Amino acid sequence: DVQLQESGPGLVKPSQSLSLTCTVTGYSITSDYAWNWIRQFPGNKLEWMGYISYSGSTSYNPSLKSRISITRDTSKNQFFLQLNSVTTEDTATYYCARGDYDGPVFDVWGAGTTVTVSS
Amino acid sequence: DIQMTQSSSYLSVSLGGRVTITCKASDHINNWLAWYQQKPGNAPRLLISGATSLETGVPSRFSGSGSGKDYTLSITSLQTEDVATYYCQQYWSTPPTFGAGTKLELK
Repeated sequence: DVQLQESGPGLVKPSQSLSLTCTVTGYSITSDYAWNWIRQFPGNKLEWMGYISYSGSTSYNPSLKSRISITRDTSKNQFFLQLNSVTTEDTATYYCARGDYDGPVFDVWGAGTTVTVSS
Repeated sequence: DIQMTQSSSYLSVSLGGRVTITCKASDHINNWLAWYQQKPGNAPRLLISGATSLETGVPSRFSGSGSGKDYTLSITSLQTEDVATYYCQQYWSTPPTFGAGTKLELK
């Protein structure tokens, strides 16, 4: 079975960078699919942040484009989220999820990790 | 961005009854519509894609319908384990966007 697991700091200071790791087991991230980051704000609104595809191409939500970077380490079967210049508005639960490359339906999700932005 | 509107934030439901959850897109999305179920403390779970295609393992009491801008998720013979929040999501255009969710509450 494919499993995804997020990890990273639970607390980040305003203006700093948020960095998260998604570790994938049971499937190679270079075989197929797009590997996504999605966040859920307090109040439950869901926002797609972006993906890195099996080939290494990336796509980002335009609302975040200047602050976000998604990269990967294929040797560890991991992909990463970096979000720069965070504010309290970036406080959310962050999920990594597998999605179809041609039309992102998210069929496998990690359990999520909560990140609070606070001084 | 395409806005997804779920007109009901909450629905009061009865066990064994039928529930219909509606979702309206701000533009035509050509059935590129998914439904997710989320229970407290858990990640969303994909139920339906392509507006009508049930994912493997999803009970047949769940069904999806619709076209154009308007879509529905129906649950027949509601079970206790179906009490959750349901989200629609369009993937016709980038960025994919989600509805605000409809939370089912037992009467």
